[in-house]
Amino acid sequence: QIVVTQEPSFSVSPGGTVTLTCGLTSGSVSSANYATWCQQTPGQAPRTLIYSTLIRSSGVPDRFSGSILGGKAALTITGAQAEDECDYYCVLYLGRGISVFGGGTKVTVL
Amino acid sequence: QLVQSGAEVKKPGSSVKVSCMASGATFNNHGINWVRQAPGQGFEWLGAIVPLFGTPYYAQDFQGRLTVGADKSTGTVYMELTSLTSGDTAVYYCAKSQRRGSTALGEFWGQGTLVTVSS
Repeated sequence: QIVVTQEPSFSVSPGGTVTLTCGLTSGSVSSANYATWCQQTPGQAPRTLIYSTLIRSSGVPDRFSGSILGGKAALTITGAQAEDECDYYCVLYLGRGISVFGGGTKVTVL
Repeated sequence: QLVQSGAEVKKPGSSVKVSCMASGATFNNHGINWVRQAPGQGFEWLGAIVPLFGTPYYAQDFQGRLTVGADKSTGTVYMELTSLTSGDTAVYYCAKSQRRGSTALGEFWGQGTLVTVSS
């Protein structure tokens, strides 16, 4: 069974840069996986930040960017702010209608 | 905007049906995904459908217990989960696909439907 991997946690200083990654236990991530990155704050519905690997959703600040790095999907936060402290999830499209979520990364800004 | 049906409380062993419709519009041939989040847990992709084509897709863990369908006459997509246990207590979300004819998850989500399974 294919598993989507994410770092469990990351810490970043205010104003700093952090890159979260999203990989596959079998093979590399490519644009054909249409990576989507979601942000979730407690008690709220998830919000999509990035879809189709690098397209920023409406209203998402440009400090969030998506890419492919070293065979993994990546979400970079440039100039982290206190309100960016929350959980981030990636989801990869595996083909034939099937998608799988990663386990999420908890980002702390301090 | 995606609008989901209201919260449900169900007994173990019963079934639940959650619906999702596009407010003020149609799904415009996009796919609709179903995702859930149990209390304190991450997200889990359950299944999806492109109403235009009608073929449902399921996560392996939910094959045989989950039905995803679309009612083109009402512009509604639904999911039905059977043989409920307390482990199915979660918030269930529908989410629109990135592109027409695809199920790859995009930027629009429903508001979520809390399903509580309790005796």
